[in-house]
Amino acid sequence: QVQLQQSGPGLVKPSQTLSLTCAISGDSVSSDTATWNWIRQSPSRGLEWLGRTYYRSKWNNDYAVSVKSRITFNADTSRNQFSLQLNSVTPEDTAVYFCARRIAALSDSFDIWGQGTMVTVS
Amino acid sequence: QSVLTQPPSVSGAPGQRVTISCTGSSSNIGAGYGVHWYQQLPGTAPKLLIYVNSNRPSGVPDRFSGSKSGTSASLAITGLQAEDEADYYCHSYDRSLSGSVFGGGTKLTVL
Repeated sequence: QVQLQQSGPGLVKPSQTLSLTCAISGDSVSSDTATWNWIRQSPSRGLEWLGRTYYRSKWNNDYAVSVKSRITFNADTSRNQFSLQLNSVTPEDTAVYFCARRIAALSDSFDIWGQGTMVTVS
Repeated sequence: QSVLTQPPSVSGAPGQRVTISCTGSSSNIGAGYGVHWYQQLPGTAPKLLIYVNSNRPSGVPDRFSGSKSGTSASLAITGLQAEDEADYYCHSYDRSLSGSVFGGGTKLTVL
């Protein structure tokens, strides 16, 4: 049974860096059939895909245009987890952040989600 | 403003059937990309309900069904139950944005 467990601070000051981690159990961050995604949800922006990290002979990252200049993903194979860093945050980055898995077997739908982390920028 | 358009709310009495629409464009649903549906209960993460237009993951009741036509998709729920009261979101891929896009969500109220 695949589970994603998120961790990270719930409060970040404006202009600082938001950092979250998603620990994977029951699957591998290096899986060649999955991608590991970050999604956020706020009343003003709804559900917003932020990007993905995945391994296909090498590590790849795809970022949403809206955050591309400020976002970085990393994968830690020794801890089987992946992380998000969002720089220069503003109050508009206040949202619930989710990590989620997409797998080819379910045609790239998000089949497993983390529990969500409410992050307030203030 | 979300790339995919859903009605803000729908409602129905227990036992009835409701549908939720999801309208996109030629760069997402109309380009042939699959539509996925999620159910989100208050305070929880979204849960996959339908993948690629009309397929149910294991464990999802057959009261839930999906369809797609042209630039739109629909989620149908038959035999409404109180536990179906939740927010529902559609999701697809947009080739102009080179990424996943979501609908704004539809709140289902069971009367």
